[in-house]
Amino acid sequence: DQQVKQNSPSLSVQEGRISILNCDYTNSMFDYFLWYKKYPAEGPTFLISISSIKDKNEDGRFTVFLNKSAKHLSLHIVPSQPGDSAVYFCAASGTGSARQLTFGSGTQLTVLP
Amino acid sequence: ETGVTQTPRHLVMGMTNKKSLKCEQHLGHNAMYWYKQSAKKPLELMFVYSLEERVENNSVPSRFSPECPNSSHLFLHLHTLQPEDSALYLCASSQARGYEENIQYFGAGTRLSVL
Repeated sequence: DQQVKQNSPSLSVQEGRISILNCDYTNSMFDYFLWYKKYPAEGPTFLISISSIKDKNEDGRFTVFLNKSAKHLSLHIVPSQPGDSAVYFCAASGTGSARQLTFGSGTQLTVLP
Repeated sequence: ETGVTQTPRHLVMGMTNKKSLKCEQHLGHNAMYWYKQSAKKPLELMFVYSLEERVENNSVPSRFSPECPNSSHLFLHLHTLQPEDSALYLCASSQARGYEENIQYFGAGTRLSVL
């Protein structure tokens, strides 16, 4: 059973609009969450993270929101740019096993010019 | 060279071959990881090395054998693989202590095809 789920395999957004990528988790022991971006033929690159003591973390055009009660996090990209087109992975780790990242299956974001 | 480098980028091997994947990190990290990514599936953690000691082995078949000779290098030795082992193999590194250990930095991967 997947502990981290990204239910949308793909998302298309117009350039300049907001992209919202969603992620749900089931393990209440997770206390640190990350988003990675992956271009074809490259490894995943770290984008932004949030610890469970916060509900929002912002870095430029990227904002991650965490709703612990709903076990849900989201990544907002605004404004979206064509260069943001990539696969986005959500990942989570927990106390005592912080080295183990559990990944979602990814969402392919396409930003249309 | 900077970051995490994996070689080779592509590998085709028969089921009776023996080959090795290499990973090198230039980030000063002391934890290294092997992941497997199959099509349409999440990344699966295979092995974790922290301070050159193996600390995790997620029920990986013995035909995969990791080696970590020092904190900058990680190998994955392959022998008598099966076609279902065809996948993208990713190496990552991180700090072994503190909150930074949550953030892993990945190489570009080795695309492995087993015939």
